[in-house]
Amino acid sequence: AQSVAQPEDQVNVAEGNPLTVKCTYSVSGNPYLFWYVQYPNRGLQFLLKYITGDNLVKGSYGFEAEFNKSQTSFHLKKPSALVSDSALYFCAGAERGAGSYQLTFGKGTKLSVIP
Amino acid sequence: KAGVTQTPRYLIKTRGQQVTLSCSPISGHRSVSWYQQTPGQGLQFLFEYFSETQRNKGNFPGRFSGRQFSNSRSEMNVSTLELGDSALYLCASSLDRGAADTQYFGPGTRLTVL
Repeated sequence: AQSVAQPEDQVNVAEGNPLTVKCTYSVSGNPYLFWYVQYPNRGLQFLLKYITGDNLVKGSYGFEAEFNKSQTSFHLKKPSALVSDSALYFCAGAERGAGSYQLTFGKGTKLSVIP
Repeated sequence: KAGVTQTPRYLIKTRGQQVTLSCSPISGHRSVSWYQQTPGQGLQFLFEYFSETQRNKGNFPGRFSGRQFSNSRSEMNVSTLELGDSALYLCASSLDRGAADTQYFGPGTRLTVL
């Protein structure tokens, strides 16, 4: 079975500094990996995904993610953090179920951007 | 295009009651998935529907059920509510193009069981 891990429950970063939110995965076969963000009392918003090809994936709101097969990682990054980036971030992998694919999520990482 | 909508946004029920939650997918999306989000267990997959058929089911008791209508709208039902069912229930829709398909989430229904 596939698993996705987010080793940090919380990440604090100063506004304007680069940010990284970590994710590692364990899958058999090709990984399909996603990043979502959740603001308080809201659903999940899609940021970006890795299917195949370039290891650097660009997404919404200036976010990007680096896929590293040898380290089985898919870290989310942004060159310059904004206070409005403060939210809960989830890494997920698409896993084959009985008849379709389902998302398996990490536990989430709370990002706090300090003004 | 309108996003995924879920109704109601908030619900308060008592133990033993049943509840029905509704989800309207993005227009043209035929796959609808449901997830439960709790502080302790995180996000867990409940089930997925496509063309009115349940194709995939997570590890939840039979008290959790769902259905999908011909217009792709979906409902989930929880019978004999327990305190532990208090959670944010999220619905997601997709075009169903395989593993690489993006699921788009609604705002969720916050269920509180007293």
